[in-house]
Amino acid sequence: DTEVTQTPKHLVMGMTNKKSLKCEQHMGHRAMYWYKQKAKKPPELMFVYSYEKLSINESVPSRFSPECPNSSLLNLHLHALQPEDSALYLCASREIAGSSYEQYFGPGTRLTVT
Amino acid sequence: GQQVMQIPQYQHVQEGEDFTTYCNSSTTLSNIQWYKQRPGGHPVFLIQLVKSGEVKKQKRLTFQFGEAKKNSSLHITATQTTDVGTYFCAGNNPAGNTPLVFGKGTRLSVIA
Repeated sequence: DTEVTQTPKHLVMGMTNKKSLKCEQHMGHRAMYWYKQKAKKPPELMFVYSYEKLSINESVPSRFSPECPNSSLLNLHLHALQPEDSALYLCASREIAGSSYEQYFGPGTRLTVT
Repeated sequence: GQQVMQIPQYQHVQEGEDFTTYCNSSTTLSNIQWYKQRPGGHPVFLIQLVKSGEVKKQKRLTFQFGEAKKNSSLHITATQTTDVGTYFCAGNNPAGNTPLVFGKGTRLSVIA
């Protein structure tokens, strides 16, 4: 299984809502990532988890709260978002040991904040 | 901080023409990766280059890593409509377990 799955595929939420994005992989990868991607832009790193511990937070506003419940799951909790947070949210994973730096991306959650 | 520049931003070609995108880093890289993102899709890993001067081929795609490990290129021979998408290079800094830095991408459109 070389797949990263993400749910939901699409999400529309109001600025006062609380929602969560979910990501799952069963490749045994011990690094997991959240990226935000705006249209016609490259993925922009938000968070990195290594061995289920948060290792990088790229100065992301606190209205985004990541969580790594176990080595296969990664969540992104959303609260009080702004319309400018509308974007494609991508999860990715990679193996830490070994010589490959390949990241496997999920299909993304397309988020619209109204 | 580390920056990865990528040109051109857009490229429109006739089917059958060749295409090249170039990537240049402000610092020496430990490795460089190339990803392809189809319209409406997500980035998909194409290849990783690690060694200075490395050249790798995948069918019509040729990837090069510069001698100084600061630049890279992707060349597609005889483009097809299935090549449409945005091609991103992404580099890793040698200093520790640093995250990937993506170039801005080159969007390729192929006219049949």
